[in-house]
Amino acid sequence: NAGVTQTPKFQVLKTGQSMTLQCAQDMNHNSMYWYRQDPGMGLRLIYYSASEGTTDKGEVPNGYNVSRLNKREFSLRLESAAPSQTSVYFCASSESRDSRTEAFFGQGTRLTVV
Amino acid sequence: SQQGEEDPQALSIQEGENATMNCSYKTSINNLQWYRQNSGRGLVHLILIRSNEREKHSGRLRVTLDTSKKSSSLLITASRAADTASYFCATAIIQGAQKLVFGQGTRLTINP
Repeated sequence: NAGVTQTPKFQVLKTGQSMTLQCAQDMNHNSMYWYRQDPGMGLRLIYYSASEGTTDKGEVPNGYNVSRLNKREFSLRLESAAPSQTSVYFCASSESRDSRTEAFFGQGTRLTVV
Repeated sequence: SQQGEEDPQALSIQEGENATMNCSYKTSINNLQWYRQNSGRGLVHLILIRSNEREKHSGRLRVTLDTSKKSSSLLITASRAADTASYFCATAIIQGAQKLVFGQGTRLTINP
């Protein structure tokens, strides 16, 4: 099983450029998440989604937009990239029907904004 | 600021010793989870403890949860060099989606 798949794995952007990070999961999970991780830091929640068509802001949503078009896919868009958005981005998914749900993570997208 | 704060930020011990990491959090939770991250990779789930549980075991892992103190600890017994990694606690609040918020992590180094 693929689990959670993120594309691309690496990306370099110029300041002001836009891009979309893609994430897909094949575990039929309801909840999906986008996190960023800066060097030496923990993960900070950007946005999350309970189900298709619903999204909620996390700890650091400014500068990002998300889209949950279907149950499998949850994309993260940077409309105008800034150097402060240089980070490693992780997508995750989990089932959330009860209180025993672990999250499964993708391998990350390393984004550099110059 | 982040929900969880972990202590210590870094821990270095000899192989075979036990490693203890602590996590404190701020708000009421549904469950608390511990994850492991090897350098440059995605996180892997280790263990989950629900808010009505006080202790849980999984192999060499032991987790405790004290909701009155809003704190948790992860104990790794008989450490191995392969346990070298960063360990993160994550608090979960379930309101429709499971909102999962991470601490800053403990960097654990096991010296052979």
